[in-house]
Amino acid sequence: ELKVEQNPLFLSMQEGKNYTIYCNYSTTSDRLYWYRQDPGKSLESLFVLLSNGAVKQEGRLMASLDTKARLSTLHITAAVHDLSATYFCAGSNFGNEKLTFGTGTRLTIIP
Amino acid sequence: KAGVTQTPRYLIKTRGQQVTLSCSPISGHRSVSWYQQTPGQGLQFLFEYFSETQRNKGNFPGRFSGRQFSNSRSEMNVSTLELGDSALYLCASSQGRDFLTDTQYFGPGTRLTVL
Repeated sequence: ELKVEQNPLFLSMQEGKNYTIYCNYSTTSDRLYWYRQDPGKSLESLFVLLSNGAVKQEGRLMASLDTKARLSTLHITAAVHDLSATYFCAGSNFGNEKLTFGTGTRLTIIP
Repeated sequence: KAGVTQTPRYLIKTRGQQVTLSCSPISGHRSVSWYQQTPGQGLQFLFEYFSETQRNKGNFPGRFSGRQFSNSRSEMNVSTLELGDSALYLCASSQGRDFLTDTQYFGPGTRLTVL
């Protein structure tokens, strides 16, 4: 059964700094997703990663996937306050719509 | 294109009652999944429906059930509510086929409070 772990659980960082959120998963995951959740809101899809070495970027966020290490990272570049949110990674396998989520990383950007 | 909609947005019930939540997927999406989000357990998969059939089920008791209609709209029912059922219930829709980048899009959720 797929298990997904994220770290850190909480992250407080200053504006302008760079940081990385890590997502480890236990068994094969055909797809690796990153979602963002603002307080009291739903989940917003950020990235879907499929293959080893995949890298996707949107603005100050960049996600990568290493299937051999079973590791995905979400890198934040020059953080701004608007990026404050909780970020989740989730895995799924083809033929199964079930998403297995990590615990989430609550990111707070301090001006 | 309209997103996933869920009704009601907020609900307060008492223990022992039952509740029905509704989800309308994105037009053209045939798969609807339900998730429960709580501070203690995080996001947990309840079940998934595709073309009116339950395809996958999570590890929840039989009090949690669902169904899907021919227009892909889905309902979730919880019977004999317990305090621990208080949660945000999220519905997600996707095309439901093995497209490589098939992504689940989430609705705003229904906040259920059980007193």
